[in-house]
Amino acid sequence: EVQLVESGGGLVKPGGSLRLSCVASGFSFSAYNMNWVRQAPGKGLEWVSCISSSSSYIYYADSVRGRLTVSRDNGKKTVYLQMNSLRVEDTAVYYCARDDPSSGWDVWGQGTTVSVSS
Amino acid sequence: DIQMTQSPSSLSASVGDRVTITCQASQDITNYLNWYQQKPGKAPKLLIYDVSNLKTGVPSRFSGSGSGTDFTFTISSLQPEDVATYFCQHYGNLPYTFGQGTKLEIK
Repeated sequence: EVQLVESGGGLVKPGGSLRLSCVASGFSFSAYNMNWVRQAPGKGLEWVSCISSSSSYIYYADSVRGRLTVSRDNGKKTVYLQMNSLRVEDTAVYYCARDDPSSGWDVWGQGTTVSVSS
Repeated sequence: DIQMTQSPSSLSASVGDRVTITCQASQDITNYLNWYQQKPGKAPKLLIYDVSNLKTGVPSRFSGSGSGTDFTFTISSLQPEDVATYFCQHYGNLPYTFGQGTKLEIK
């Protein structure tokens, strides 16, 4: 079964850090670009970051650049989101999504919740 | 950044009704437009990619059309299981952005 499973979310104080993981199964992970998308409570979807299949290209939303870092380990079929200097406004469910050039962002994980509060 | 203006923000319709949601981009995005369905507590689910291509397994009552800056998402005959929030998304250039969402309810 083609699947993405996120983990690593939790409650953290402002200024703290977390590392999210997204583990892929059922497909050739190294062939796909990957994205992180977040959704604040009761709000819409916000693209956060993307990383190309070989990590050659990495991009961030302005709201997270310099604080969040995306990386991947194709051998472990995992994409990571290192989150530093967290702010209250980073509170959200974080999803990873596969980018298939022939069929869109067709596979999403179930999400992991990050709560930033003092 | 390209802004995606989606309307309406909420919609109530009866089972069997034809439902239409629109999404307007602030500049030409050619065909780089996806539509998603999201049910409460669940991840978004891709329904349509590249404006009008139905993802495999998605019922044919869902469709999309448009080009350039104006796009339309249609449910030809609303079913009870279609209650959800729907989002458009452009991915032509960075940053990728989503519409604000349309919450669809059954009347």
